[in-house]
Amino acid sequence: ETGVTQSPTHLIKTRGQQVTLRCSSQSGHNTVSWYQQALGQGPQFIFQYYREEENGRGNFPPRFSGLQFPNYSSELNVNALELDDSALYLCASSFNGGRARSSYEQYFGPGTRLTVT
Amino acid sequence: AQTVTQSQPEMSVQEAETVTLSCTYDTSESDYYLFWYKQPPSRQMILVIRQEAYKQQNATENRFSVNFQKAAKSFSLKISDSQLGDAAMYFCAYRSGWQGGSEKLVFGKGTKLTVNP
Repeated sequence: ETGVTQSPTHLIKTRGQQVTLRCSSQSGHNTVSWYQQALGQGPQFIFQYYREEENGRGNFPPRFSGLQFPNYSSELNVNALELDDSALYLCASSFNGGRARSSYEQYFGPGTRLTVT
Repeated sequence: AQTVTQSQPEMSVQEAETVTLSCTYDTSESDYYLFWYKQPPSRQMILVIRQEAYKQQNATENRFSVNFQKAAKSFSLKISDSQLGDAAMYFCAYRSGWQGGSEKLVFGKGTKLTVNP
């Protein structure tokens, strides 16, 4: 069973630039969630993708956008980067098969550390 | 909106001893799930234990057990026979059981656990 993978591991960008982070879900999972974890804080929910559509969004501006592909992998895109976007970005996958069959647990990848200068 | 509070920013324990990490949450829902995640310095968030709100029996996973007090909205984690590898940040997380929305996790700010040899 393949776990959740994310790329790249680290990234340094300049304010105003755009960035794309990638996530491959765990084998058998069909739902991907993205979280932002600032230094010393708990993760904050950005959004979730299920069946290639956004299925819930946290309190993040529209410059945070995403995609989910037919193989359930996902991308997080951030436009017009700001200094406060510097954080660890975590991807988590889970299985949503309806109430009787959902796994309920989310399994996380190792994260992408984004630094905006 | 649901909130999760971890009132202990840091805790320490001697190797082989027992430690309890506290978590309280606020919700108006009756159906939900609670989780403890461990985040070592490697950054990867690892699921430790899960509790369904409709279950009265406290969950256990080897050396890890919870004390779930639904009326008090309390969900503490007990680690028995602490090992050096248990040193990490521990996050308490809440997930709504409502199937109409996303499966987002709401995290507390975390407790840093140090294990002394």
